Amino acid sequence: GAVVSQHPSWVICKSGTSVKIECRSLDFQATTMFWYRQFPKQSLMLMATSNEGSKATYEQGVEKDKFLINHASLTLSTLTVTSAHPEDSSFYICSAQWGAISNQPQHFGDGTRLSIL
Amino acid sequence: SQQGEEDPQALSIQEGENATMNCSYKTSINNLQWYRQNSGRGLVHLILIRSNEREKHSGRLRVTLDTSKKSSSLLITASRAADTASYFCATGLGSSNTGKLIFGQGTTLQVKP
Repeated sequence: GAVVSQHPSWVICKSGTSVKIECRSLDFQATTMFWYRQFPKQSLMLMATSNEGSKATYEQGVEKDKFLINHASLTLSTLTVTSAHPEDSSFYICSAQWGAISNQPQHFGDGTRLSIL
Repeated sequence: SQQGEEDPQALSIQEGENATMNCSYKTSINNLQWYRQNSGRGLVHLILIRSNEREKHSGRLRVTLDTSKKSSSLLITASRAADTASYFCATGLGSSNTGKLIFGQGTTLQVKP
């Protein structure tokens, strides 16, 4: 089955640090990648949709200058949390999809737990 | 914004019993998907049912879709302790071609050995 690798799995850093999270599709070309945020015992909240070679589409309320997304190739998307603060602490999950329509399953990475001190 | 509501929020059963989870949604869809999440991990895709389908099976999983009631159910038969996880429904919107999914709030299933 399709494999998506997300790295790192756990980050602890000081307030003010910028943190980059990578999401790679290992065995298929991901036309579209998605970035989600999940708080404890809650559902996934979509942050942005990322298409290879174009600017990401951010959901309402998500600051694009805070959460920088780059989708430079069909196998790699990155999310950079700039100048992270404790309120940015969360579980961030990426997913990848072949095609840009919603009748395909999304394949998820294992998530990155971000803790800002 | 979240479109799906799932019930129950939490379910605890004995191994061997069946588990049923329900999902309701608000807008028109072109498909509905179920995912599973083990604690602290990413999601695993279980099954996709298109809007013109009424029932789908995969192993011990059975999914139904009633578009007139805007609801779906996931049945896990002969549950095992390893089925303990959170289960989410997600809808692919009918008017959208972005691939975006809207996730429900999830049901936390505990299967006791």
